[in-house]
Amino acid sequence: SQQGEEDPQALSIQEGENATMNCSYKTSINNLQWYRQNSGRGLVHLILIRSNEREKHSGRLRVTLDTSKKSSSLLITASRAADTASYFCATVYNQAGTALIFGKGTTLSVSS
Amino acid sequence: DAGVIQSPRHEVTEMGQEVTLRCKPISGHDYLFWYRQTMMRGLELLIYFNNNVPIDDSGMPEDRFSAKMPNASFSTLKIQPSEPRDSAVYFCASSYRGARGYTFGSGTRLTVV
Repeated sequence: SQQGEEDPQALSIQEGENATMNCSYKTSINNLQWYRQNSGRGLVHLILIRSNEREKHSGRLRVTLDTSKKSSSLLITASRAADTASYFCATVYNQAGTALIFGKGTTLSVSS
Repeated sequence: DAGVIQSPRHEVTEMGQEVTLRCKPISGHDYLFWYRQTMMRGLELLIYFNNNVPIDDSGMPEDRFSAKMPNASFSTLKIQPSEPRDSAVYFCASSYRGARGYTFGSGTRLTVV
């Protein structure tokens, strides 16, 4: 079963606009991670945010984490056509903290 | 490093046949994970290894599925006999020290007819 659930399921925007994706999860976490998957490819790790962090930046990516609401958001600023992909949040699924469970993802389409 | 390498990229087989998927993790990574991805169920964790030892196989759907990791540089996922409902994309991923950022392979798209 999924621990994280992304919202929306699909998002279509124009180049230059910002894209925001949300993730809600059920149990307490040590960290939350975001991955990108281009069509026909494997997932690529984007960013990890720890439970004691509220916000983290990496280039055009901004991730926030609200542990009280058990939610996270991924913001992509000034989107490009190359950002077209599916985006997944992932949380640790076991007490040992060694395996990730993924949501079903948000499919982002950026048109030029 | 060439990344996580999976083979074959595509596999089409007939129901009842044995299928073997292969994975070479990144050198130095001590964890290896097998996932299955379908539209209906998303990404499902099947099994994972730590230092070549299977740690959790609770996600393996049936006894028809088995996985091995004979050494640090090679793992296999075998389905015997295969069924149409096994059709999916199977991913292998590796990491260093657990869930701190996985590196995924490009996947094997399996079609069972």
